Amino acid sequence: GAGVSQSPSNKVTEKGKDVELRCDPISGHTALYWYRQSLGQGLEFLIYFQGNSAPDKSGLPSDRFSAERTGGSVSTLTIQRTQQEDSAVYLCASSPVSGRSYNEQFFGPGTRLTVL
Amino acid sequence: AQSVAQPEDQVNVAEGNPLTVKCTYSVSGNPYLFWYVQYPNRGLQFLLKYITGDNLVKGSYGFEAEFNKSQTSFHLKKPSALVSDSALYFCAVRPKGSGNTGKLIFGQGTTLQVKP
Repeated sequence: GAGVSQSPSNKVTEKGKDVELRCDPISGHTALYWYRQSLGQGLEFLIYFQGNSAPDKSGLPSDRFSAERTGGSVSTLTIQRTQQEDSAVYLCASSPVSGRSYNEQFFGPGTRLTVL
Repeated sequence: AQSVAQPEDQVNVAEGNPLTVKCTYSVSGNPYLFWYVQYPNRGLQFLLKYITGDNLVKGSYGFEAEFNKSQTSFHLKKPSALVSDSALYFCAVRPKGSGNTGKLIFGQGTTLQVKP
């Protein structure tokens, strides 16, 4: 079946602009994660959604970052007033909460964000 | 603080030789342990996981990993390396217990270079 998809694959923006990054998880996966991969910081957890539970936002680096998940499926990560240090690859992952692949996170190809 | 260490930025090995990529962790309790691989311009691909049971775990592409509780290590191994194994490898842990949402804590990554 289809894997996790993310769009756009690349995004170049100017400092101060807002950006939206989209993630389509694997159908039926109720858990969804956002991570950020940058040269200096490695892979960092940003936010986690699970069903109708309150999201775990503990990894969001500032209040310029927000995310939502509509209808328990597609998720959007929004970065307001982008800064150059926001430049990174943003990875989305989804996970089933039961079955053989329980505990495994399936990653999308990522969105490479460049802030000029 | 919970952390994962991959002490080698890069591992070089000749094709056909055995390879080891090291990982140690500092997490309370008995976490779930994972290895992921990332090829250039691609997302992370799941290799293997340790949940419970036999300390030697076998995964995709002939890779295996050995869980050592006393040393809090989870080293990745392969008996005979291939040039196509050249990639970036990440060790990750998922702490267990209440309040843990399943987010992964990643090591900094180790670049594996297999030479013909």
